Amino acid sequence: GENVEQHPSTLSVQEGDSAVIKCTYSDSASNYFPWYKQELGKRPQLIIDIRSNVGEKKDQRIAVTLNKTAKHFSLHITETQPEDSAVYFCAASRSGGYNKLIFGAGTRLAVHP
Amino acid sequence: DTEVTQTPKHLVMGMTNKKSLKCEQHMGHRAMYWYKQKAKKPPELMFVYSYEKLSINESVPSRFSPECPNSSLLNLHLHALQPEDSALYLCASSPEGQGRDEQYFGPGTRLTVT
Repeated sequence: GENVEQHPSTLSVQEGDSAVIKCTYSDSASNYFPWYKQELGKRPQLIIDIRSNVGEKKDQRIAVTLNKTAKHFSLHITETQPEDSAVYFCAASRSGGYNKLIFGAGTRLAVHP
Repeated sequence: DTEVTQTPKHLVMGMTNKKSLKCEQHMGHRAMYWYKQKAKKPPELMFVYSYEKLSINESVPSRFSPECPNSSLLNLHLHALQPEDSALYLCASSPEGQGRDEQYFGPGTRLTVT
């Protein structure tokens, strides 16, 4: 069935360093790839997304890259801050109509001052 | 209004109780979703409503009964739950079509079944 693998499961960085989280999807028809940040006790928050007709997208300190051939996509966070500490989930879906998201298992990011 | 709201925030119920979770959005979204999330796991899709019709039921036990009274509201009726049903229940909505796929989550209802 459809599957999204996410690595690493935990990531610890020093404040100011960069963090990279990687995902691989199995469904070749997937064309929409969102990233969610979930702080403890809070809702998953959409932080950035990318569609298959785009290779890279940036929003201030965060960026997402997509390699359709390899079925890989990655989240890059630069100049990390303690408030970036959270669990990050990648997801993949076929866009159009309602949207059945297939989530990765999540990455727990800890940014140490 | 760019938020999905959910009530109640917390719910404790016995295995013989009947309760309902409520979700509301006023973004004009025509797709609404129920997810279940266990600790340290990703959200797990339960139901999808598209234009007020049930489009996906991910083989959810019948003790969970969804309802979509109108395009802004989504309910989840609970009956005879088991302790393993304790989890965070998240509602979400998305525009459906119009070239937009973003899915927005509500704050969730923390359910404890005793």
